[in-house]
Amino acid sequence: QVQLVQSGAEVKKPGASVKVSCKASGYTFSSYDINWVRQASGQGLEWMGWMNPNTGNTGFAQKFQGRVTITRNTSISTAYMELSNLRSEDTAVYYCAREDLPWSGYFDVWGRGTSVTVSS
Amino acid sequence: DIQMTQSPSSLSASVGDRVTITCRASQGIRNDLGWYQQKPGEAPKRLIYAASSLQSGVPSRFSGSGSGTEFTLTISSLQPEDFATYYCLQHNSYPYSFGQGTKLEIK
Repeated sequence: QVQLVQSGAEVKKPGASVKVSCKASGYTFSSYDINWVRQASGQGLEWMGWMNPNTGNTGFAQKFQGRVTITRNTSISTAYMELSNLRSEDTAVYYCAREDLPWSGYFDVWGRGTSVTVSS
Repeated sequence: DIQMTQSPSSLSASVGDRVTITCRASQGIRNDLGWYQQKPGEAPKRLIYAASSLQSGVPSRFSGSGSGTEFTLTISSLQPEDFATYYCLQHNSYPYSFGQGTKLEIK
């Protein structure tokens, strides 16, 4: 079945980086954009960025510019989101989500989320 | 970046009530807006697309309206399963942006 499987929980110290993976299965990975959304505990959804797995083109929310990198390895149908210079405010669950058509805003398949805790 | 301002942040209502949630965009986004519902421990689910079109399988008590900068989500008669958090999402231009969310609670 169509699914996105994310990597496991991470605990990082302030200033470190974290790299979260999102492995796609059940569909052609390069045919659907991947978006990254995060949610701090008890807080709202925050859109972080986007990648076209076919071209590698990416875009990010302004607040993450310079700190976030989204990459992919098409040979293993996996997208990655790396966030650097972590601070306590980055503690959240990070989701990858498939967008069913470009520019549709329809995230039809979601990963189960990766918890990232930033603590000294 | 386009900012989405959603109100109210929380809402207390009873089964059978009619409720309305509003999202305002900081600039015109045509009708490039969707409404998502999220229940605890679950991924968000889209209810409305193109501001006013009902996603397949979503009950008809949900409706959306608006264009440009002002949008509303209306639930005509609340059911127990509707108590959740709702978000608007603009996808007119990158970066996409969500509203802050509206938590709908049982009165």
